[in-house]
Amino acid sequence: GAVVSQHPSWVICKSGTSVKIECRSLDFQATTMFWYRQFPKQSLMLMATSNEGSKATYEQGVEKDKFLINHASLTLSTLTVTSAHPEDSSFYICSARRTGVYNEQFFGPGTRLTVL
Amino acid sequence: AQTVTQSQPEMSVQEAETVTLSCTYDTSESDYYLFWYKQPPSRQMILVIRQEAYKQQNATENRFSVNFQKAAKSFSLKISDSQLGDAAMYFCAYRNLHSRSGGGADGLTFGKGTHLIIQP
Repeated sequence: GAVVSQHPSWVICKSGTSVKIECRSLDFQATTMFWYRQFPKQSLMLMATSNEGSKATYEQGVEKDKFLINHASLTLSTLTVTSAHPEDSSFYICSARRTGVYNEQFFGPGTRLTVL
Repeated sequence: AQTVTQSQPEMSVQEAETVTLSCTYDTSESDYYLFWYKQPPSRQMILVIRQEAYKQQNATENRFSVNFQKAAKSFSLKISDSQLGDAAMYFCAYRNLHSRSGGGADGLTFGKGTHLIIQP
């Protein structure tokens, strides 16, 4: 159990377009999901906390209007990169929190975004 | 804010030997979790081991064990009998026990990672 999927796994887009990335918890409900960004050979940086039915909480330095997060159901959160530019090219990873003793976070396989 | 420091960008160990990866952290909280995650070339994050700060006993998972020194804010990972499949990036991570916002949990704060190489 505790499987998290992401779609797409890889996307290439032109500069100025918007890209939507989906994060789904497949076998559990997640009121909270997290979005991370990982540049090549670097660590994961928390971008935002996605809360079902409410606004996302963004980390300092993350542009809210640039990275739109929608957590419309207990199993789905989406991250939309608006007006993408080459510097937005990165690996985006989501995690979903499963309620329990440890409130464990389970990670998706990630989405590689390349902006041309 | 919490910080996590991994001072070893890369470590190499012979197969079947033991290796220790270092991690230090900084926090003003007294209750928190510490984790070691493995990220193989597939980029899928895999939980290796978890330590609750309120537990004095060091966590152990098969060949993986930690040395948790709360006063020193140190959290090292020991891998015994290293195997080729252990080759990966290893990230040390911190999480508050209680959410800052009152919700269920905070996100994780990661160190920069240690690239572990296993030599056959």
